[in-house]
Order: sequence, then structure tokens, then C-alpha cells
Amino acid sequence: GENVEQHPSTLSVQEGDSAVIKCTYSDSASNYFPWYKQELGKRPQLIIDIRSNVGEKKDQRIAVTLNKTAKHFSLHITETQPEDSAVYFCAASIGQAGTALIFGKGTTLSVSS
Amino acid sequence: NAGVTQTPKFRVLKTGQSMTLLCAQDMNHEYMYWYRQDPGMGLRLIHYSVGEGTTAKGEVPDGYNVSRLKKQNFLLGLESAAPSQTSVYFCASSYPTYEQYFGPGTRLTVT
Repeated sequence: GENVEQHPSTLSVQEGDSAVIKCTYSDSASNYFPWYKQELGKRPQLIIDIRSNVGEKKDQRIAVTLNKTAKHFSLHITETQPEDSAVYFCAASIGQAGTALIFGKGTTLSVSS
Repeated sequence: NAGVTQTPKFRVLKTGQSMTLLCAQDMNHEYMYWYRQDPGMGLRLIHYSVGEGTTAKGEVPDGYNVSRLKKQNFLLGLESAAPSQTSVYFCASSYPTYEQYFGPGTRLTVT
């Protein structure tokens, strides 16, 4: 079955720096790759997603890149702010047919001012 | 729109007791999911449903049962609770877009 590996598990940056989180997946049939942000005690919320027919997607300070050949995708946050501090999860769809997701174990991002 | 709601928010069970968690969504979504979240383990898919009357197993289905009798509701049952089922349970829904919308979670403790 699908397996998603996420690195690093923790990441500390200074305000204004960039942060990069990387994920790899195992199922070559996966075609949907979302990223979720979860603040302490809250529910996960989608921040950006990418589908297998594109290589990169940007939304203001957030970007995601996808390399289907290598089966890895990455989240890039530029000009980090203290409010970016949270746990970030990557996920990959189970095959093509459905939207059931397998999540990585998460990255705790801490942005210090 | 309430979005995705979960009942109850908190629950404490003794080992061997049973309970049902209710998830409801008012977005007319076809797909619904149940996840559990444990420290350091991320979100793990328990069961999911791609439509009314259908269910499928996820990564960690053992010890749980589900039912989707109505499109807007997805129930998660624990027949005989075990301490290993202490977790935060999240329900989510999606379709026609791929984005999954999560409920606020249920914190379950089994003693």
C-alpha cells in the first residue's frame, strides 16, 4: 500500500527565513498531494495542494513542487512569520480512483522572532 | 453552513465499553473519512466511505466498525474499547473537489 515519508520531523527557523519540508511516496498511481497545517488543539486545514499533471504551484508565500519520476514533493514557505509556527502534514492519494489520503507523520515548524 | 461536526467532543471510557462517534456534514459531500491522530504518528486513516451505503478499510481498521446509512452521516463504532484506542479522532469529508474538510475532533481516553 501507499507509504508517505516526511522530513524533517522538527524545523526551527528565524523569522524571515525560508522553510522547506520534503515528502516521498511509494505508490506511482497517486495523483493528488495536499499539505495541511494544524495549530495546537485545532483541526488540520488545507494550505495548498498539487495534482500530478503540474510540477509546481504557488500561493503567495507558499509553494509546492512535485517530482513524479522521483516520487517526492516539497513544501516551501518563504519569509516565514511567527504565525507560521504549527505542525505541517503532507499526504498522498491512495491510487488514482479515490481521494482517500495517506499522511506523513508531520513536521513541527517553529518560527522565532 | 456548519461544515463538518463531530459528537461528542470528549469522552472517557473504561476498557471493554462500547461507544459510537458521530460525524455529520452539510456540504453534500460524497466521501467521508475517519482518522485517528496520535503523538508523532500523524493522521492515520481508519475507514472511509465513497458514498451512502458503502465503506472501505483504511490503514488501521482493526477494532473499529463504521456505517454510512445517510449521505450526511458517518458513524465510527468501538465495540470493546482498549487503552490502545486512546486518541484524537477526526472525521473529514470531500467531493466533488479533492480537498478534505476536517471536523473539530473527538478526544477519547480509554482507561
